[in-house]
Amino acid sequence: EPEVTQTPSHQVTQMGQEVILRCVPISNHLYFYWYRQILGQKVEFLVSFYNNEISEKSEIFDDQFSVERPDGSNFTLKIRSTKLEDSAMYFCASRVTIYEQYFGPGTRLTVT
Amino acid sequence: AQSVTQPDIHITVSEGASLELRCNYSYGATPYLFWYVQSPGQGLQLLLKYFSGDTLVQGIKGFEAEFKRSQSSFNLRKPSVHWSDAAEYFCAVERDAGNMLTFGGGTRLMVKP
Repeated sequence: EPEVTQTPSHQVTQMGQEVILRCVPISNHLYFYWYRQILGQKVEFLVSFYNNEISEKSEIFDDQFSVERPDGSNFTLKIRSTKLEDSAMYFCASRVTIYEQYFGPGTRLTVT
Repeated sequence: AQSVTQPDIHITVSEGASLELRCNYSYGATPYLFWYVQSPGQGLQLLLKYFSGDTLVQGIKGFEAEFKRSQSSFNLRKPSVHWSDAAEYFCAVERDAGNMLTFGGGTRLMVKP
């Protein structure tokens, strides 16, 4: 069964550094999402992406964040200058049309 | 804006006992409703969903959920819990088809032998 994959599974970085989290959505899916879950808190929406542009973003998704679909398979989330409060589990999700979103296993980002 | 409340942060049940996890949502219309499960170190797996039609929906792993419009609820049930059901369960709503999900705070289920 096709699945969403994410790399790396765990990323440790120093405050102020740039990180890129990578996702490979399911191949025929058209809508892509990033969510994050700070330890002990609920899963929060960051951004949605369709037709090569951002379709919706939350207040969390400020100028430090960007997304890109550099080729036909990858979907990336970049954090330009990480802060301690960016430490979280980041989930990528994709969907084909209006039906359910399929989530990847997540990337745990630790900012020290 | 829509919101989702899962009143129970932790629930412990004995193996073989029945289970009900509560979910209430706040939204002006009928949203699309989902239950996801997250096992330790794993991603979010969809258990079931409600879009329209029959208000009792069946999902994977023997789970079901009932949409009650009058109570703005979408509670998850299972008649007999297995030890492997221990995980965190998230209720989520979607405002319109194709939109982002809003999640509840989650309920952590522990299963006693």
